[in-house]
Amino acid sequence: DAGITQSPRHKVTETGTPVTLRCHQTENHRYMYWYRQDPGHGLRLIHYSYGVKDTDKGEVSDGYSVSRSKTEDFLLTLESATSSQTSVYFCAISESTQETGYQSPTYEQYFGPGTRLTVT
Amino acid sequence: AQTVTQSQPEMSVQEAETVTLSCTYDTSESDYYLFWYKQPPSRQMILVIRQEAYKQQNATENRFSVNFQKAAKSFSLKISDSQLGDAAMYFCAYRRGGKSTFGDGTTLTVKP
Repeated sequence: DAGITQSPRHKVTETGTPVTLRCHQTENHRYMYWYRQDPGHGLRLIHYSYGVKDTDKGEVSDGYSVSRSKTEDFLLTLESATSSQTSVYFCAISESTQETGYQSPTYEQYFGPGTRLTVT
Repeated sequence: AQTVTQSQPEMSVQEAETVTLSCTYDTSESDYYLFWYKQPPSRQMILVIRQEAYKQQNATENRFSVNFQKAAKSFSLKISDSQLGDAAMYFCAYRRGGKSTFGDGTTLTVKP
């Protein structure tokens, strides 16, 4: 299994409080991702990172910010949590390749175990 | 934006039989990847099979195979000789560059 951990694994918080989720990898992979999964739905991309301090938005980025100051850590912050952000959050990583002639992620994404966040 | 549609919320199959899960997607790109992931109750996302869009040959991994129809934008998963351990949620996913789009999933039940 790829070395990906997420912390915390479970969290209950109140509306309006800030929350930070951490993804830590030991694989030295360039790309890191944050997804959310809601009941009856697949994963939706929140933000991703293609290098230290290099990030980009996904399809559901509103209300979330990210930071990556080290290769191994990718933080997801909810500045002011809302009940609509109750979800399971997954981190994923992938290596980079230059097969296409430019830096891009490889096809394989390795997923962390998930964090269940409940906002009351 | 790309969309991925899995039209079968639930499917069931008898143990040892074959089942096919459907997936269609929408894109204007010609170079991309397609994936099937399995998510058991443990929530761990497990890659089942992948297909590069530039390859015409359908991917196969042991009992799992795909039917990739690029012009029709269709990517179905066939599971042969179904086993009890195949019971899970299955997600189809499209990926290009750093961004992936997932379908809403199909819950597969395997009956003994």
